[in-house]
Amino acid sequence: DQQVKQNSPSLSVQEGRISILNCDYTNSMFDYFLWYKKYPAEGPTFLISISSIKDKNEDGRFTVFLNKSAKHLSLHIVPSQPGDSAVYFCAASSTTRGGADGLTFGKGTHLIIQP
Amino acid sequence: GAVVSQHPSRVICKSGTSVKIECRSLDFQATTMFWYRQFPKQSLMLMATSNEGSKATYEQGVEKDKFLINHASLTLSTLTVTSAHPEDSSFYICSARGADSPLHFGNGTRLTVT
Repeated sequence: DQQVKQNSPSLSVQEGRISILNCDYTNSMFDYFLWYKKYPAEGPTFLISISSIKDKNEDGRFTVFLNKSAKHLSLHIVPSQPGDSAVYFCAASSTTRGGADGLTFGKGTHLIIQP
Repeated sequence: GAVVSQHPSRVICKSGTSVKIECRSLDFQATTMFWYRQFPKQSLMLMATSNEGSKATYEQGVEKDKFLINHASLTLSTLTVTSAHPEDSSFYICSARGADSPLHFGNGTRLTVT
């Protein structure tokens, strides 16, 4: 049973446009969400996070939106740049368990930015 | 720069041998380290959680006698794949958490068992 779902394995976006990556979760105990970016043969790099007490967090070109009632979050990248081409993982955790848990990851979405 | 160093980045070993992977936090004390495994086109799967000075907590389905984890200090955790078999071939990634910070990941280790 996959608790974090990224239903789009890949996404192609033109340079300069907005990239929207989606993520759904099923575990209502999750209260902290993160996005990671991963290049081939490298470890994931932290991008942005959001706590369940917020519905939006913005950092430069990256904005994460959280809809708790729908158990859905999305990552917006605007404007998209060629260097954004990578695999993006959505991850979730339950801090109510003392923050000691590892993260539960989605399968990732391969974002391709076209010139 | 990298805050978590994982070594080696690639290793090829023969079936039946053991392989040790190191994970070091470079500029912070990592009270908790996590080990993940990634199969092709799959998500990162948590294998075990390692707290300094105590036994690791393994996820369901992960053989603790096969994947030995040692978290000897606040900056070092090791994963030893014992008696490796071809099905153990995978990409292993460690991560470390300091106080009030998100997880930082190592660059991973590509293990190939022949």
